[in-house]
Parts: sequence; structure tokens; C-alpha cells
Amino acid sequence: KAGVTQTPRYLIKTRGQQVTLSCSPISGHRSVSWYQQTPGQGLQFLFEYFSETQRNKGNFPGRFSGRQFSNSRSEMNVSTLELGDSALYLCASGGLAGNEQFFGPGTRLTVL
Amino acid sequence: LAKTTQPISMDSYEGQEVNITCSHNNIATNDYITWYQQFPSQGPRFIIQGYKTKVTNEVASLFIPADRKSSTLSLPRVSLSDTAVYYCLVANNAGNMLTFGGGTRLMVKP
Repeated sequence: KAGVTQTPRYLIKTRGQQVTLSCSPISGHRSVSWYQQTPGQGLQFLFEYFSETQRNKGNFPGRFSGRQFSNSRSEMNVSTLELGDSALYLCASGGLAGNEQFFGPGTRLTVL
Repeated sequence: LAKTTQPISMDSYEGQEVNITCSHNNIATNDYITWYQQFPSQGPRFIIQGYKTKVTNEVASLFIPADRKSSTLSLPRVSLSDTAVYYCLVANNAGNMLTFGGGTRLMVKP
């Protein structure tokens, strides 16, 4: 079974730009969660989508948004990029709730 | 959400058993405990999950006392490749929203 895939793996943007990251969950998984990891703040939950609906949301500004498609693939978008948005963005897929989460390799975003 | 507290770092030697204890004093009745492992520049990897007593799989054991206010991850006979950050989480069963603490940085030495 193929694992969670994330594209692109690396991205360099400048302040003020916007970025879209993509995540394809494991086949059959309907939940996709997004996390941001930085050296200073650690791993922080952004949001979770289940069956195309946002089910949980973390404490991030509205510049961070996401969506999920009918095939469970998910995208997250960050608008008006700031230097502090430089991070490893991780996507995880899972089952109905509370089960084992499978993480992708992440997208490393650098904002200059 | 229940907050977890675990040691910032631990050192061990190859072949030893490593026990990492996590405190979660405010765990709710329907919460369960999950441990993840993360290597640099990789996503976390699920190790083990439990609700009470003891759970064992091919990688680790998880010990949870009756009051569930703490848990201990036990890694038998560690090797150099077990050097990683280990996260203890109390999972929110209302969805797949994981709250990660600071984790324990385990260094296994030869």
C-alpha cells in the first residue's frame, strides 16, 4: 500500500507570496490532518479534514486554509507569507478517529 | 486537552532497555495514549497506543497504571538507529487532531 505523499518536497518563496501544498493520503483513508513543525514551536496542529469537511482546527491565523477533495486528497494554502512561516509542513492520514496516523515526508517551505 | 510532560532528553547505550515516562495528569476518561517516533527531516511514525494496563507490539511496550495519569514507553535492547525524538500524546478521539508536546530526544551511544 502506498504511503502518504506530499508535493512539493521543497519550496522557496518570498514574503507576501502565497503557496499551495498538496497531500495524497493512503488509499481508503478519509481523514487528512496538517501540521507545522518549527524548531521554536515544535509540531503544531493546523487542521483536519474528513470527507471534504473541516472537522478540527488549530490555533493558526486565517492566512492558513485548506480543503479536501472527493478523492480525499488535500491541499493547504498559506497566503501573504511571512518569514515565520518557514517550516516543515506535515500531512497525516488516518481512519475515522483516534486511530494510528500515518505521516508523509513533509514539505519544507522556506520564506525569504 | 490533556497536556503531557516528558523528559527533554535521555541517553542510553546499545543493547540496553530504555524506559521513557510521560505524565498526563488531566487525561479524560475517553482519551487514550499514543507514542510516536520522529527522525530528523521525517514525519513522525506511530509506535504504540493504549488505554490502560499493558500493550506490547513488535517494537515496544506501553505500561499504563490504573489511574492513567502517566505512562511508560519501554524500548527493549535499543540500537543506534533508535536515536530519535519520542513523543507522548493523549489523543483526542473526536477526530484525528494530535497535540504534540516537546518530546524526548533519545540518544543511543555505542
